[in-house]
Amino acid sequence: KQEVTQIPAALSVPEGENLVLNCSFTDSAIYNLQWFRQDPGKGLTSLLLIQSSQREQTSGRLNASLDKSSGRSTLYIAASQPGDSATYLCAVKTSGSRLTFGEGTQLTVNP
Amino acid sequence: NAGVTQTPKFQVLKTGQSMTLQCAQDMNHEYMSWYRQDPGMGLRLIHYSVGAGITDQGEVPNGYNVSRSTTEDFPLRLLSAAPSQTSVYFCASRRTGQGVETQYFGPGTRLLVL
Repeated sequence: KQEVTQIPAALSVPEGENLVLNCSFTDSAIYNLQWFRQDPGKGLTSLLLIQSSQREQTSGRLNASLDKSSGRSTLYIAASQPGDSATYLCAVKTSGSRLTFGEGTQLTVNP
Repeated sequence: NAGVTQTPKFQVLKTGQSMTLQCAQDMNHEYMSWYRQDPGMGLRLIHYSVGAGITDQGEVPNGYNVSRSTTEDFPLRLLSAAPSQTSVYFCASRRTGQGVETQYFGPGTRLLVL
């Protein structure tokens, strides 16, 4: 059974700092990995999707990497802003159409 | 496009009552799914559908029914609500096929079962 773990569970940083969120998964036979953002009381918004054949994806200040063999992904946020405060979740797609989610990292960026 | 919409936003039920959570998408996505989100458990898949007339069970299907009569709609039914079904429910949709698998989520329905 695929298990997804995100570390740390919570992170607080000052504005402007670069930061890294971690995601690990137990079964390396994945089709893709997605990073999502969830604001309090809201749904999930997809940030980046990395196919299993890719090593990284970039969107603006966000960069996500994937090392399938070691079962790890990182989300790098450059020059963090208070508006980046949210919970960040990663999810992996394995067999069929199912996504397995981590529990998320709650990020607070302090002005 | 409205994207994925869910109604109601919030609902309180008594144990044993039934209700239907509505989900609709206007992106012509083949794949739709229902998740529940609980503290310490993350998001767990309840049911999913790969197209009209086709549904299948996810990780935690007990106590829930679904149907998919149209591409746009994917309602989730609770036949006899239990306190263990208190949760936040999210509907999601996406296209099928390689490289177009970004999931789009609705805003969620917060359900409290007393």
